[in-house]
Amino acid sequence: AQKITQTQPGMFVQEKEAVTLDCTYDTSDQSYGLFWYKQPSSGEMIFLIYQGSYDEQNATEGRYSLNFQKARKSANLVISASQLGDSAMYFCAMREWAGGGADGLTFGKGTHLIIQP
Amino acid sequence: DAGVTQSPTHLIKTRGQQVTLRCSPKSGHDTVSWYQQALGQGPQFIFQYYEEEERQRGNFPDRFSGHQFPNYSSELNVNALLLGDSALYLCASSPPGFGYTFGSGTRLTVV
Repeated sequence: AQKITQTQPGMFVQEKEAVTLDCTYDTSDQSYGLFWYKQPSSGEMIFLIYQGSYDEQNATEGRYSLNFQKARKSANLVISASQLGDSAMYFCAMREWAGGGADGLTFGKGTHLIIQP
Repeated sequence: DAGVTQSPTHLIKTRGQQVTLRCSPKSGHDTVSWYQQALGQGPQFIFQYYEEEERQRGNFPDRFSGHQFPNYSSELNVNALLLGDSALYLCASSPPGFGYTFGSGTRLTVV
């Protein structure tokens, strides 16, 4: 089974609208972390936001917020007031702590977001 | 302060050849991880190095090997290249504790 599922291969959104990118995850660990990254065409993975499994409040970073629903194993990214520069690939990723020490990330397949003027 | 630096940026190799990719971590970071990102896919974890030792490994064959040097920089080596090894190879460094900074990657094409 996939550990990270992103069901939206592509999305078109009008500039200035809010957009929600979906992410569901699968883990049996109690301690884990969820990340969202942006990848423009240059290839670099740009960190956007992080949510720990024990964090009670949803994470926010500027225009980015993470809608964390632990019981549903859902960690959707919300971008408010979208801008043309937000056009990129977006990846959801998870780190599981059960192994102790090492911390490779597991990524989803991504969502290609295109902001239209 | 330079972030994560990867070299070369692009590379073309022939099937069966060997390749070495290099990564310099962000200042203050002591852990380096490598990822393979095939076209249209998310990155897949190859392995992680800490204190010059491989600490964790993903589901990749032994043709993929690495090294970390005392200055924390790292190399990824791939032997007996296959067409399927064509991908963007990303390096990520992290400090003691938490956080990952990615480089812009090396795009490897195997012909």
